[in-house]
Amino acid sequence: GENVEQHPSTLSVQEGDSAVIKCTYSDSASNYFPWYKQELGKRPQLIIDIRSNVGEKKDQRIAVTLNKTAKHFSLHITETQPEDSAVYFCAASMGGATNKLIFGTGTLLAVQP
Amino acid sequence: EAGVVQSPRYKIIEKKQPVAFWCNPISGHNTLYWYRQNLGQGPELLIRYENEEAVDDSQLPKDRFSAERLKGVDSTLKIQPAELGDSAVYLCASSSQFYEQYFGPGTRLTVT
Repeated sequence: GENVEQHPSTLSVQEGDSAVIKCTYSDSASNYFPWYKQELGKRPQLIIDIRSNVGEKKDQRIAVTLNKTAKHFSLHITETQPEDSAVYFCAASMGGATNKLIFGTGTLLAVQP
Repeated sequence: EAGVVQSPRYKIIEKKQPVAFWCNPISGHNTLYWYRQNLGQGPELLIRYENEEAVDDSQLPKDRFSAERLKGVDSTLKIQPAELGDSAVYLCASSSQFYEQYFGPGTRLTVT
């Protein structure tokens, strides 16, 4: 089955700096890669996603890149702000009728003011 | 648009007791998921429904867990009897297509 690895497990950056979180997946059939942000005690919130037919997607300060050949994808946050502090999870699925998300182990991002 | 609703938000029970969680998905979403999230880990799928039909329950511990989704809308997840290791956050999610999944706030279960 699919396995998703996520690094780093913790990341501390200064406000205004960029943050990058990386994930690798094992099943080449996976074609959908969402990222979720989870604040303490809150629900996972979908912040951006990418499908395998594109290599990059951007939404304001966040972007996701996908390398299908290497089977890895990354989340990029620019101009980080204290409110970006949270746990970020990557996930992978085959979408379609088998839309089972396999999550990474999470990255605790701390943005220092 | 109202999000996924779950209740209760918190539940504390003694081991061997039964417990049930309720989920109301986003209106119009045909697919409903139950996940379990252990502390410090990502969510893990327990069961997925397409309308009333459970299409993936391979991860559901069927000796003690059961779920239903009557009329293809609300869903209930039950544990009977609960064990200490069942302490976790139980998350419900829904989707209207085959991709984006939106999560509810979860039910934090503590088994003592």
